[in-house]
Amino acid sequence: DAEITQSPRHKITETGRQVTLACHQTWNHNNMFWYRQDLGHGLRLIHYSYGVQDTNKGEVSDGYSVSRSNTEDLPLTLESAASSQTSVYFCASSRDRVDEQYFGPGTRLTVT
Amino acid sequence: QKEVEQDPGPLSVPEGAIVSLNCTYSNSAFQYFMWYRQYSRKGPELLMYTYSSGNKEDGRFTAQVDKSSKYISLFIRDSQPSDSATYLCAMSPIDQKVTFGTGTKLQVIP
Repeated sequence: DAEITQSPRHKITETGRQVTLACHQTWNHNNMFWYRQDLGHGLRLIHYSYGVQDTNKGEVSDGYSVSRSNTEDLPLTLESAASSQTSVYFCASSRDRVDEQYFGPGTRLTVT
Repeated sequence: QKEVEQDPGPLSVPEGAIVSLNCTYSNSAFQYFMWYRQYSRKGPELLMYTYSSGNKEDGRFTAQVDKSSKYISLFIRDSQPSDSATYLCAMSPIDQKVTFGTGTKLQVIP
């Protein structure tokens, strides 16, 4: 069965370190998204991609970067982790731009 | 003011009750309206998807969209303990990014 996976599921890191969160989907979807979810803010879009070599900033992109070298993967990098980036991160993919988004299980990141 | 407003709850109801979950929005360009369900420590999953105004029914779930009032609702009939989750509304204009509400936490008590 097609799926979307994220790794690691839990991560503790120190302030200032670079961190990369992995997202892999086997739906063959062109569109992939990264969100963070915080109490009181809901899901906020960090970055998104509509295809290979395409990346776009979301509403909370500062301090994050992504690259899309193939259809299946969209890794999210925190260049220099900050305590404000402690959150739960969800990756999602969709077939069309406005279509059902399939979410991964999430990565719980703690920056100490 | 947020583009999408959703009461965070928590909402606690007895098993078998009818549940009403609501969102209001300010962007008149929104055309697609969705409800996602998120169980604790899981990713959201799509529950209902409607385009423009009107009602859509799927089993015990009914989604309503009133574009004139910028108000959407999700009704759950005969609620079950397994319906206990956080419900997120989501909406988007045509061919643009989806905006999510903050979610309403629902608890159905046996």
